[in-house]
Amino acid sequence: GENVEQHPSTLSVQEGDSAVIKCTYSDSASNYFPWYKQELGKGPQLIIDIRSNVGEKKDQRIAVTLNKTAKHFSLHITETQPEDSAVYFCAAAEYSSASKIIFGSGTRLSIRP
Amino acid sequence: GAGVSQSPRYKVAKRGQDVALRCDPISGHVSLFWYQQALGQGPEFLTYFQNEAQLDKSGLPSDRFFAERPEGSVSTLKIQRTQQEDSAVYLCASNPGGGDTQYFGPGTRLTVL
Repeated sequence: GENVEQHPSTLSVQEGDSAVIKCTYSDSASNYFPWYKQELGKGPQLIIDIRSNVGEKKDQRIAVTLNKTAKHFSLHITETQPEDSAVYFCAAAEYSSASKIIFGSGTRLSIRP
Repeated sequence: GAGVSQSPRYKVAKRGQDVALRCDPISGHVSLFWYQQALGQGPEFLTYFQNEAQLDKSGLPSDRFFAERPEGSVSTLKIQRTQQEDSAVYLCASNPGGGDTQYFGPGTRLTVL
């Protein structure tokens, strides 16, 4: 089955700087890669996703890149703000059957003022 | 509109007790998913419904776990004879069907003493 590895587990950056979180996946059948943000006491919230037919996607300060050959994908947050502090999860799924999402272990991002 | 709701938000059970956790998906969403999130970990898939049909229950950890969605809307996750290792946040997610994004509820935090 699919296995998603995520690193780093914790990340601290100065406000205004960029943050990068990296993930790898194992199953070449995976074709959908969402990123979720989870704040304390809340459920995961989708912040951006990418499908395997594209290599990059941007939404304001957030961008994701996907390298299908290497089975790597990354989240980039630019101009970080205090409200970006949270736990971020990468995930992978094979969407021919609309089935389960396999999550990474999470990155706790802290933004230093 | 209203998102996914879960109740109760917190549940404390004595070891050996049965518990029932409720999920109200977004209205009209065909697919419903249950995940278990241990402290400091990413969510792990438990089971998946399409309407009232339980299409995948491969993630249920033991036969003490049972889920149902009898009318294709509200779902209940039942855990019999709870054990300390069942302590976790139980997350419910829904999507319109056909491989779309999963939208998560706030979760139920279960503590087994």
